[in-house]
Amino acid sequence: SQQGEEDPQALSIQEGENATMNCSYKTSINNLQWYRQNSGRGLVHLILIRSNEREKHSGRLRVTLDTSKKSSSLLITASRAADTASYFCATGGGGGGNKLTFGTGTQLKVEL
Amino acid sequence: SAVISQKPSRDICQRGTSLTIQCQVDSQVTMMFWYRQQPGQSLTLIATANQGSEATYESGFVIDKFPISRPNLTFSTLTVSNMSPEDSSIYLCSARPRNTEAFFGQGTRLTVV
Repeated sequence: SQQGEEDPQALSIQEGENATMNCSYKTSINNLQWYRQNSGRGLVHLILIRSNEREKHSGRLRVTLDTSKKSSSLLITASRAADTASYFCATGGGGGGNKLTFGTGTQLKVEL
Repeated sequence: SAVISQKPSRDICQRGTSLTIQCQVDSQVTMMFWYRQQPGQSLTLIATANQGSEATYESGFVIDKFPISRPNLTFSTLTVSNMSPEDSSIYLCSARPRNTEAFFGQGTRLTVV
């Protein structure tokens, strides 16, 4: 399987703390994306980082990419209870064409 | 961007029956994708649906079990055939209009009893 691995599988933090999730993948990529899923609903795109980029910011989100290590991290700063969700990384391009391959996911719980 | 309407949102079905899931996109897209997400798991790609040609299935998925239609550039259906309890999952359709970010329907939560 070419599915990426994410860690931790589950993360529980207090509101206001930062949450960091890591993703490792196996094949060459054109870009890496992060998605959020609330309670088994449809996924929502958060941020995309291209293979020639090392870091990207969007609001409270910061994504890094290290293609030499085939890994990425997603940092959510000043977390809120509403950030409680599952987060998935997805890789596209390389030999996979238009297909996206999703990681195993991190379940984040932000407690008040 | 693209908005995808998926229905039904959930269903409870008897084993041996079939369920057809529909997805409507608010813009024309070349490819649509169908995923399965088993309880507590990640998304697994079932097939890629191209307009005007047969769907391309991933390893472990076959057309007889998951027939797909793609009659035009805004619509696709996935049928889960001869269902068993092991087919209980969330099924998601997706599109990537510009080969960048993907947009998803809200998912169909299927329970087979």
